[in-house]
Amino acid sequence: DGGITQSPKYLFRKEGQNVTLSCEQNLNHDAMYWYRQDPGQGLRLIYYSQIVNDFQKGDIAEGYSVSREKKESFPLTVTSAQKNPTAFYLCASSRQGRTVDEQYFGPGTRLTVT
Amino acid sequence: LAKTTQPISMDSYEGQEVNITCSHNNIATNDYITWYQQFPSQGPRFIIQGYKTKVTNEVASLFIPADRKSSTLSLPRVSLSDTAVYYCLVGFDSNYQLIWGAGTKLIIKP
Repeated sequence: DGGITQSPKYLFRKEGQNVTLSCEQNLNHDAMYWYRQDPGQGLRLIYYSQIVNDFQKGDIAEGYSVSREKKESFPLTVTSAQKNPTAFYLCASSRQGRTVDEQYFGPGTRLTVT
Repeated sequence: LAKTTQPISMDSYEGQEVNITCSHNNIATNDYITWYQQFPSQGPRFIIQGYKTKVTNEVASLFIPADRKSSTLSLPRVSLSDTAVYYCLVGFDSNYQLIWGAGTKLIIKP
């Protein structure tokens, strides 16, 4: 089955701890994205990557970091510097980083920090 | 700065046609307009995409006027299962940031 997987579905952490969210795709897509979604709100772009070993900051990159060492993987680290990390995190990929390319989304990870 | 505007919410009834409009006054010449549907606690999924005029697929139609400053997603004969949030995506702004609409929450009543 081709698609995007995110793990885990639910994640709980204590304040002050870094946490890494996993995102893997087997669609052979060049571009990958991380979004944050707060309750009742829209999608906000955290980071995106159009190719391996390259990524760009989105609207709300502060307190987050990413890496893109492999085409199929784009992990997101939520650092202790992120003021309000509790949210629903969505990973997506597209064939290329153009708006004509459909984005395929993963099932999301719901992060709760207390 | 490029921006999109969508209605925050809409209500309709089963069997009706629903039209949701997205305004995007500063869309770039080479950008496409894409609509996504999102159910609670799930990732959005692609519905339809267009560049100009009209596009139709098995679930929706997309109408784009000649000036491309807006687009209208049309859902024919909606059912309860069409209750969801609908987002338009219209491209990158000058800072290479994706331009997503804020989403329209559509509630279908029996």
